Amino acid sequence: EAGVVQSPRYKIIEKKQPVAFWCNPISGHNTLYWYLQNLGQGPELLIRYENEEAVDDSQLPKDRFSAERLKGVDSTLKIQPAELGDSAVYLCASSRQQNTEAFFGQGTRLTVV
Amino acid sequence: KNEVEQSPQNLTAQEGEFITINCSYSVGISALHWLQQHPGGGIVSLFMLSSGKKKHGRLIATINIQEKHSSLHITASHPRDSAVYICAVRSGTDKLIFGTGTRLQVFP
Repeated sequence: EAGVVQSPRYKIIEKKQPVAFWCNPISGHNTLYWYLQNLGQGPELLIRYENEEAVDDSQLPKDRFSAERLKGVDSTLKIQPAELGDSAVYLCASSRQQNTEAFFGQGTRLTVV
Repeated sequence: KNEVEQSPQNLTAQEGEFITINCSYSVGISALHWLQQHPGGGIVSLFMLSSGKKKHGRLIATINIQEKHSSLHITASHPRDSAVYICAVRSGTDKLIFGTGTRLQVFP
């Protein structure tokens, strides 16, 4: 069974440019999470989807961040425009449903210069 | 004060040593996860437990719900165990709350 797949693995962009990350969860997993992880810190939740519905986006900076999960499968996370402070690892995770084990992707390491 | 605290923050060991990483939490939980993160960012789920003890190979995880405490043990440690180990708890609202991790280095 394939795990959670994220792309790209690494991205370097100039500040004020847009950037998008893509996540393909494990087949059959209804719950999808996007996390932000700063260096030396634990991941912080940005948004959680149950199928195609965003059920918790309270930590998502909506002025510049947006996410979508069309058809309740793949998801994209976008930042526009990116700021220097957005440099971090963006992790996607999925689980079969609420309260079940979550599986993580390899993450996308974003560097904003 | 963080809702999930791990100790130690950094740990150095010689190959073969028995290692313990501790996690304490202050919120009600439905489950606790132990995760392993290697350089490069990928996270692997090691255990999910809500009571008692689980064992997988050289890894053992225990949880004491009354004391709100969990431990991850590594027996016969090996340099390939070098990674960041993260404790995360699943709150009543299905949020995963992460600790800041314990960086383990095992030297030959």
